[in-house]
Amino acid sequence: EAGVTQSPTHLIKTRGQQATLRCSPISGHTSVYWYQQALGLGLQFLLWYDEGEERNRGNFPPRFSGRQFPNYSSELNVNALELEDSALYLCASSLGRVSLINKYFGAGTRLSVL
Amino acid sequence: RKEVEQDPGPFNVPEGATVAFNCTYSNSASQSFFWYRQDCRKEPKLLMSVYSSGNEDGRFTAQLNRASQYISLLIRDSKLSDSATYLCVVMEGATNKLIFGTGTLLAVQP
Repeated sequence: EAGVTQSPTHLIKTRGQQATLRCSPISGHTSVYWYQQALGLGLQFLLWYDEGEERNRGNFPPRFSGRQFPNYSSELNVNALELEDSALYLCASSLGRVSLINKYFGAGTRLSVL
Repeated sequence: RKEVEQDPGPFNVPEGATVAFNCTYSNSASQSFFWYRQDCRKEPKLLMSVYSSGNEDGRFTAQLNRASQYISLLIRDSKLSDSATYLCVVMEGATNKLIFGTGTLLAVQP
């Protein structure tokens, strides 16, 4: 069974550009979560999508947005990129919204903003 | 105060040593607790869930103390391959959000 897959693996952008990151959850999982892991910092919760709707977002500015498609895959969009957006962006999926279900992470997209 | 606090380490231990990691969390309403392992430049992987009754998986033992809001991970007979960052993770029941500690770096020396 395929795990959570993310693309691209690496992404290089310049300040002010937009970045789009993609995530495909484990088959059958309906919830997708996005996290940011900046160098030297812990993982920070970004967004949670379930059944196509945004259920919760972390303490990030509105230029971080996303969506979930009918097939439960998801996109994270970061507009007006800033240098400090350089980080590893991790996607996780879980089976439904039940809080006790463990989450499984993809390998991440490493975004570098120059 | 951080929501989840861990000693960042690094913990440098010889092979075969027993090492313990501690973690405290601030939200008493937190419902679920986990230890994740993250290798350098890789994604976090679930190591084990943590229950009040304690749970053991081979050389790894995890314990939760709800009254003290304290989580621990014990690694016995450490191996070189145990070298990684260990992340203490707390899940908020209401938001389904994972709150990560900043991780404790373990380096097992030959």
